[in-house]
Amino acid sequence: QSALTQPASVSGSPGQSITISCTGTSSDVGGYNYVSWYQQHPGKAPKLMIYDVSKRPSGVSNRFSGSKSGNTASLTISGLQAEDEADYYCSSYTSSSTWVFGGGTKLTVL
Amino acid sequence: QVQLVQSGAEVKKPGASVKVSCKASGYTFTSYGISWVRQAPGQGLEWMGWISAYNGNTNYAQKLQGRVTMTTDTSTSTAYMELRSLRSDDTAVYYCATTIQSFDYWGQGTLVTVSS
Repeated sequence: QSALTQPASVSGSPGQSITISCTGTSSDVGGYNYVSWYQQHPGKAPKLMIYDVSKRPSGVSNRFSGSKSGNTASLTISGLQAEDEADYYCSSYTSSSTWVFGGGTKLTVL
Repeated sequence: QVQLVQSGAEVKKPGASVKVSCKASGYTFTSYGISWVRQAPGQGLEWMGWISAYNGNTNYAQKLQGRVTMTTDTSTSTAYMELRSLRSDDTAVYYCATTIQSFDYWGQGTLVTVSS
């Protein structure tokens, strides 16, 4: 199972919006509404930010939103804040009953 | 609140085995599966496998088949991951996470260092 494809890095200024893409295949992202997104600060465990493509867990800011079109999922962060600077990973359930992660995207808040 | 507490850091020699534990609290242990995810230094997340805490069914990543075993002890609400025939590229932080269709709650991570 190949990793999902994410851009290595994205950046934005405080208050702006950014979008991180996550491209897979019809056997993972395109085939299931089980795409999730994780935020990881240095030295910390990942934190679930979005599940089932577009649902937010309790306590996650509504500045974070998710969507999917075909084999590509996206995470949008609006109103960027300094604390959003972190690594972000997408994940998808697959047709092999396994999970696969994206390679990760480093978000820099300028 | 849901909490996963993992065992401490390990240093192993190549060819040895390691067993990492993950003690769950704050929920009914058999309600969620447990996945294990690892992260090599400076690298991304890699899904290793999943175990149902309800019936012990497992599914492992193909690249680890034959080297990894995941188990649970429902009497102590603890999950275990054993990795055998360790190599230097197994050096990583190993995480457990509750799993339905996403990885909802994570342990703090266990650093496993493989070095001669």
